[in-house]
Amino acid sequence: DVKVTQSSRYLVKRTGEKVFLECVQDMDHENMFWYRQDPGLGLRLIYFSYDVKMKEKGDIPEGYSVSREKKERFSLILESASTNQTSMYLCASRPYTGGNSPLHFGNGTRLTVT
Amino acid sequence: AQKITQTQPGMFVQEKEAVTLDCTYDTSDQSYGLFWYKQPSSGEMIFLIYQGSYDEQNATEGRYSLNFQKARKSANLVISASQLGDSAMYFCAMKGWTDKLIFGTGTRLQVFP
Repeated sequence: DVKVTQSSRYLVKRTGEKVFLECVQDMDHENMFWYRQDPGLGLRLIYFSYDVKMKEKGDIPEGYSVSREKKERFSLILESASTNQTSMYLCASRPYTGGNSPLHFGNGTRLTVT
Repeated sequence: AQKITQTQPGMFVQEKEAVTLDCTYDTSDQSYGLFWYKQPSSGEMIFLIYQGSYDEQNATEGRYSLNFQKARKSANLVISASQLGDSAMYFCAMKGWTDKLIFGTGTRLQVFP
């Protein structure tokens, strides 16, 4: 079974801190994604990665960056955390097989910025 | 640009009845795929069903079926014989010719006895 592991379930950070959210998958998937989930807004794509060292902006990349140095790990970085980045963050992966491969999600990281 | 719209923030259904959750999409891609996910209160995202744009038949998976109307750009999820355990958030998602996968805002389904 595919496992996508997010390093923290809950995280509390202060405004202005640099924050790292880590995600690791164990199935050699090429594609990895970071979403944030907010009530009434659904899941919004922040960044995704086709493969190692390859990344693409999603719909809301402002204030975030990502790193993918190894295939299994995809990190989301908040350069200077702000209160409007308080949210649930979901990492997901899928193999690059074309059309119908579903996303496999981690359990999420609930980030609170105070 | 791609867009997914779910216009029903909340739906109620009685146990054992069928329910339809609406999803419309917008894309200029000729080849695309549509997914439905379930998110129970535990927070995990559970993949339910997939429909490809070139699939001639509507997808079915157990009690889930996808009512795909390409000309109307709609991909509604039909849950037959609802169960209490079906109470959850449901998200429609789309993938175009790139690997980017976008989601709608979701519909909260509540099943009552």
